[in-house]
Amino acid sequence: IAGITQAPTSQILAAGRRMTLRCTQDMRHNAMYWYRQDLGLGLRLIHYSNTAGTTGKGEVPDGYSVSRANTDDFPLTLASAVPSQTSVYFCASSDGTATQYFGPGTRLTVL
Amino acid sequence: QKEVEQDPGPLSVPEGAIVSLNCTYSNSAFQYFMWYRQYSRKGPELLMYTYSSGNKEDGRFTAQVDKSSKYISLFIRDSQPSDSATYLCAMMDTGRRALTFGSGTRLQVQP
Repeated sequence: IAGITQAPTSQILAAGRRMTLRCTQDMRHNAMYWYRQDLGLGLRLIHYSNTAGTTGKGEVPDGYSVSRANTDDFPLTLASAVPSQTSVYFCASSDGTATQYFGPGTRLTVL
Repeated sequence: QKEVEQDPGPLSVPEGAIVSLNCTYSNSAFQYFMWYRQYSRKGPELLMYTYSSGNKEDGRFTAQVDKSSKYISLFIRDSQPSDSATYLCAMMDTGRRALTFGSGTRLQVQP
């Protein structure tokens, strides 16, 4: 069982470019989340989805969009990347309890 | 002021020591309290999970929640070099279903 996979592992991106971070889970969890982790700030919620077909905004949603076409996939898109979006991005899922399971992360650098 | 405060460390202890990690919080609606462990360049993994106040023990790890003081702790007994990681506290209220994280404490256990 893979759990949660994220792609790419790392990426260097020019400012202004569009980028989609991929997240796939095989646990059939209804809820999925995107966080960014920055030094000194911990993990901050970007967007979430309680079930396929629904999404919601987290603490820091500006500049990001998500979609949830099915249970397994939850891509995060940066429409026009800016240097302040340089961060490590984690996808997580939950079976409806308070427990969340995290993927390995995507390390993104925007120049 | 952040909702969850956590000393970033680093905390360096000798092997075999008892480690105490702590978080304070301001939101009285938090009911679920978790500790995650994160190794370098990896995703967070759930270590301990507690609902409301009280203690919970799992092997060398003990989690304590004091809701009256808005203070949670994680104790590690007989610490090992393999415990060297960043420890993140996380909390959730029953309404939001989203985790609020502390910024993490980096622990180094010296052999």
